[in-house]
Amino acid sequence: NAGVTQTPKFQVLKTGQSMTLQCAQDMNHEYMSWYRQDPGMGLRLIHYSVGAGITDQGEVPNGYNVSRSTTEDFPLRLLSAAPSQTSVYFCASSEKVAYGYTFGSGTRLTVV
Amino acid sequence: GNSVTQMEGPVTLSEEAFLTINCTYTATGYPSLFWYVQYPGEGLQLLLKATKADDKGSNKGFEATYRKETTSFHLEKGSVQVSDSAVYFCASFDYKLSFGAGTTVTVRA
Repeated sequence: NAGVTQTPKFQVLKTGQSMTLQCAQDMNHEYMSWYRQDPGMGLRLIHYSVGAGITDQGEVPNGYNVSRSTTEDFPLRLLSAAPSQTSVYFCASSEKVAYGYTFGSGTRLTVV
Repeated sequence: GNSVTQMEGPVTLSEEAFLTINCTYTATGYPSLFWYVQYPGEGLQLLLKATKADDKGSNKGFEATYRKETTSFHLEKGSVQVSDSAVYFCASFDYKLSFGAGTTVTVRA
């Protein structure tokens, strides 16, 4: 089925570990974004991309890196995990943001 | 930049009650406005949208009208069902997509 696929669905990390959250879409969307969702704070933008090779920072980029080597993939890297990064992470894509985003099902990350 | 403020929850209603969730935005221009819904354990789904003043978005019995004069985009449904229990997010797109904090709605049978 077409859509946004995120892996893994759940992950537990130890403080200081690094990992990559994967995001792939098969709709040929140019726009992709990563959000984190925390209780009472809605969704906050981490990084976004307007096309392959182009990325930019959102509201809360510290501790995260992204790259966009292809239209389909937009991985999010945690460089050195901290407990403050415990959250649910959502990847989203859009043909044109004014049309609305399609969201993945999320990755629940716990850092201990 | 743009920002969104929406009504705090949680909201608890009985089936067939009228639902309103308030949302106001700030923006330098004329953003596109959205309502997203998140069912338990799932990602966000686009519920409805409006791209210019006086547009009315509608879907699944929900409606919201883009009011430029009051910078608002309130979500309404005339008769809710238990299946409408979810978290609702208002969002605006100016040069980036910004979300409100979300409103948890619980509908009791």
